[in-house]
Amino acid sequence: GAVVSQHPSWVICKSGTSVKIECRSLDFQATTMFWYRQFPKQSLMLMATSNEGSKATYEQGVEKDKFLINHASLTLSTLTVTSAHPEDSSFYICSASLGLADTDTQYFGPGTRLTVL
Amino acid sequence: GENVGLHLPTLSVQEGDNSIINCAYSNSASDYFIWYKQESGKGPQFIIDIRSNMDKRQGQRVTVLLNKTVKHLSLQIAATQPGDSAVYFCAESGANTGNQFYFGTGTSLTVIP
Repeated sequence: GAVVSQHPSWVICKSGTSVKIECRSLDFQATTMFWYRQFPKQSLMLMATSNEGSKATYEQGVEKDKFLINHASLTLSTLTVTSAHPEDSSFYICSASLGLADTDTQYFGPGTRLTVL
Repeated sequence: GENVGLHLPTLSVQEGDNSIINCAYSNSASDYFIWYKQESGKGPQFIIDIRSNMDKRQGQRVTVLLNKTVKHLSLQIAATQPGDSAVYFCAESGANTGNQFYFGTGTSLTVIP
């Protein structure tokens, strides 16, 4: 089946530094990738949608200058948390979709746990 | 967006019993729904999906029921096993959400051996 990986799986950083998280579709080309954020014992919150070769579409309330998304190829999207602060500590999950239809299943990565000290 | 950031409700069931997990959605234009299972520290895994032209869909040990009138979705797990312990989310999508999925609150299922 479709496999999505994320790297790193866990990152600890100091406040003020930037952290890059990679999301890769390993055995398929993903037209669209999504980034979610999840706090402990809460649901997934969609942060942004990214299509290869174009600018990401951010959900309301998500700062695009804070969470930089790059989708340079059909198998790789990156999320950079710039000038991270403790409140950015969270579980970040990406997903990838094969196509553009609203019924295309999303395949999720294993998530990246970010801890900002 | 349609995200809900509430704390998870919990459900405990005895091993071997059937489990029913419920989900209410808010967007009447949603026409495609997926149930995901998320184990601790992992990403969500697809369980089963249903389109709005169906009321019921069955998989292996799982059944999804859709009631569009009251915008309600349920996931039934037959003969629940310890490996079913996880958080379960429903996700909705529709023509007016593009290709994005929005997740419900989620339910934490604990199976008691």
